[in-house]
Amino acid sequence: EAGVTQSPTHLIKTRGQQATLRCSPISGHTSVYWYQQALGLGLQFLLWYDEGEERNRGNFPPRFSGRQFPNYSSELNVNALELEDSALYLCASSFGYSAGSGANVLTFGAGSRLTVL
Amino acid sequence: AQSVTQLGSHVSVSEGALVLLRCNYSSSVPPYLFWYVQYPNQGLQLLLKYTSAATLVKGINGFEAEFKKSETSFHLTKPSAHMSDAAEYFCAVSVNTNAGKSTFGDGTTLTVKP
Repeated sequence: EAGVTQSPTHLIKTRGQQATLRCSPISGHTSVYWYQQALGLGLQFLLWYDEGEERNRGNFPPRFSGRQFPNYSSELNVNALELEDSALYLCASSFGYSAGSGANVLTFGAGSRLTVL
Repeated sequence: AQSVTQLGSHVSVSEGALVLLRCNYSSSVPPYLFWYVQYPNQGLQLLLKYTSAATLVKGINGFEAEFKKSETSFHLTKPSAHMSDAAEYFCAVSVNTNAGKSTFGDGTTLTVKP
């Protein structure tokens, strides 16, 4: 069974440009989560999509956005890149939102490393 | 809102010694608690999870954790460290009322000395 796949593995951009990161969840998972892992800052929650809808959003500016497609894959867009956006962006998937889904285990991809110069 | 605090950003042990990684949580409703491990250049992998059944949870690779409500703790232990245990470990909390938004601690880097 394929795991969570993310692309690209590495991405180098300059300030002001836009970056698009992609994620394919495990088959059967309908929820996709995005986390930012910047050096020394741990994992910061960005976005949660379930059944095509944005369910929750972390404390990030609106230039961080995304969407989930009918096949449950997702993309994260970062507009007007800033130097501090340099980080590892992790995508995770799980079974969908339902009663008791707080116990859902997140399965992570290997991440996309974004470098902003 | 829930939160997690991992005490000690770096822990160093000798091979064969006890591993103890500390995690304290805060939650206004019954929590679900998780430990994940991240090896270099990889995503996070689940080690174990607490879902309100047994308070002592056994995970993969010989790790276990005990949920102590009175201490709001969920510390991770392993009796004997192996070199392959060197990695970064994350404690996370989730609740049903905000399902999907797991909150992670800042992580603890475990170094194992030969």
